[in-house]
Amino acid sequence: GGIITQTPKFLIGQEGQKLTLKCQQNFNHDTMYWYRQDSGKGLRLIYYSITENDLQKGDLSEGYDASREKKSSFSLTVTSAQKNEMAVFLCASRDWGGGQDTQYFGPGTRLLVL
Amino acid sequence: GDSVIQMQGQVTLSENDFLFINCTYSTTGYPTLFWYVQYSGEGPQLLLQVTTANNKGSSRGFEATYDKGTTSFHLQKTSVQEIDSAVYYCAMSDTNAYKVIFGKGTHLHVLP
Repeated sequence: GGIITQTPKFLIGQEGQKLTLKCQQNFNHDTMYWYRQDSGKGLRLIYYSITENDLQKGDLSEGYDASREKKSSFSLTVTSAQKNEMAVFLCASRDWGGGQDTQYFGPGTRLLVL
Repeated sequence: GDSVIQMQGQVTLSENDFLFINCTYSTTGYPTLFWYVQYSGEGPQLLLQVTTANNKGSSRGFEATYDKGTTSFHLQKTSVQEIDSAVYYCAMSDTNAYKVIFGKGTHLHVLP
């Protein structure tokens, strides 16, 4: 089996700061995702990547950048952290084809902006 | 555009109660439908999926039927247990197959 690793687990930032979240997968999946999870709002797609070096904007991409330089890793940057922002960022990779369609999620990075 | 609607934000049941969580979807195409479950402190994990209209998915005692006529994919379980306490998300991929759209989630709390 494989695993999705997200670092850091907790991230405390200052208003206006640029913050980077990292995600690694060893499933060898092509497609990866970044979601933002807020209480009562579910999972909202920020960016996804169909394959290495590909980037696609999701519905919530404003204020974020992403990078997929290797198949196994997908990074997300908060370009300017907003004061009092508090959310969980979830990374996922997707196994699909041959009747299988499953997203595997990491445990999340919890962000707090002071 | 495509959307998934879960109206129930929170459900509280006692052990052995019947569980029913509403999910409706809106799309012009032929979606694949999913239920994901998220336990405290973890990321979501796939509970079940159905790719074909009018088919049923089942896993760990949970069932959901893809009803194209009513555009619904409700989740049900005959007898819930305390370990089923978690957040349940209905999700859909369709028009853009790479995008998976999630509902807002239903927090299930099962009392012992």
